[in-house]
Amino acid sequence: DIQMTQSPSSLSASVGDRVTITCQASPDISDYLNWYQQKPGKAPKLLIYGASNLETGVPSRFSGSGSGTDFTFTISSLQPEDIATYYCQQYDNLPLTFGGGTKVEI
Amino acid sequence: QIQLVQSGTDVKKPGASVRVSCKASGYSFQTFGINWVRQAPGQGLEWVGWVSPYNGNTRYAQRFQGRVTFTTDTATNTAYMDLMGLRGDDTAVYYCTRAVGFDTYCFGYWGQGTLVTVSS
Repeated sequence: DIQMTQSPSSLSASVGDRVTITCQASPDISDYLNWYQQKPGKAPKLLIYGASNLETGVPSRFSGSGSGTDFTFTISSLQPEDIATYYCQQYDNLPLTFGGGTKVEI
Repeated sequence: QIQLVQSGTDVKKPGASVRVSCKASGYSFQTFGINWVRQAPGQGLEWVGWVSPYNGNTRYAQRFQGRVTFTTDTATNTAYMDLMGLRGDDTAVYYCTRAVGFDTYCFGYWGQGTLVTVSS
């Protein structure tokens, strides 16, 4: 199975800060990587697909980059409504696997 | 609009079986696979497997092989997950989900989740 290592597991930042989360895949997954946002008690929401493509309707302060084994998810200016847990997910190979999540707090 | 509506909370005893349903609307049901993802309390996301409503093909994550069965009913646009031999660590919210496009696993549509609690 493809292992997805996400870091940090949690972070605290201020409104307006730039926030960066990393996800490392083993082995190489090309650009078959998604990022999701999950708020408490809710289903995950797709933000980024194919490593760097913004899903329709998602604010442009969210972005993704990377390919191969190293990926980055960025919130350019953290907003109060961005408080959530973020997950990466690979879809290069079955079984699909997710990173452990990053809880973002203010 | 595209919706996935799941069955309600369920409580089961260890060793029992549970069926979770997922009724789809707003799109051609047979065109897109349904994936199941679960989340134990306070934990991350775990893929359970996939079913094709078009031909009934399935793929299960190894750890669920032999205990889980996915089926679909194209007359009612409903997908089902049956999980047998329940254990305490099967306590989780189970989500059905659909990809945003063909032949991909980018999950843009999710059910509201079904909490299954396994307790004696």
